[in-house]
Amino acid sequence: KAGVTQTPRYLIKTRGQQVTLSCSPISGHRSVSWYQQTPGQGLQFLFEYFSETQRNKGNFPGRFSGRQFSNSRSEMNVSTLELGDSALYLCASRPTSLDEQFFGPGTRLTVL
Amino acid sequence: GIQVEQSPPDLILQEGANSTLRCNFSDSVNNLQWFHQNPWGQLINLFYIPSGTKQNGRLSATTVATERYSLLYISSSQTTDSGVYFCAVGLYNQGGKLIFGQGTELSVKP
Repeated sequence: KAGVTQTPRYLIKTRGQQVTLSCSPISGHRSVSWYQQTPGQGLQFLFEYFSETQRNKGNFPGRFSGRQFSNSRSEMNVSTLELGDSALYLCASRPTSLDEQFFGPGTRLTVL
Repeated sequence: GIQVEQSPPDLILQEGANSTLRCNFSDSVNNLQWFHQNPWGQLINLFYIPSGTKQNGRLSATTVATERYSLLYISSSQTTDSGVYFCAVGLYNQGGKLIFGQGTELSVKP
């Protein structure tokens, strides 16, 4: 089976712009979660989607949003980018019946 | 909220040495995973181990859920073992949300 894929792998944006990141889960996995990794805050949970519904949300401002499509692919959007949004964004998927999560390679976002 | 603490924060070993990494957590969990983050940032699954003991080659892990800790053992370390090791836990009724520790950065010298 192919693993979790994320696109793009690298992205450079300027303050005030918005960005959309994409995640394709492992085939058959219906749950997709997003995480942000920064040197200062470590790995933090953003949100989880299951069957196109947001199930859980971390402590991030409303500028961070996401959605999931009927094929389980997910996108996250960050509007009005700030310098502090520079981070590695990781997506994970898991099968419905299990808790073990599998991560994609990440998207490295740099905000200038 | 739940606290996840990993120790030591940094570890330097000579190739061939053994090591033990520890993860303490402050509440009952229904999911515990160990990951190795490669130099490109991807989290590689090592163990899914909410309780009990598992082994995979030179690596093994033990979680004692009642005492709220997990240990990752690396034997006969190799330079390719270098990187950051993360412990992450999931709580009951919180679906896919994982709470990560701060990681242990391992450096294996030849």
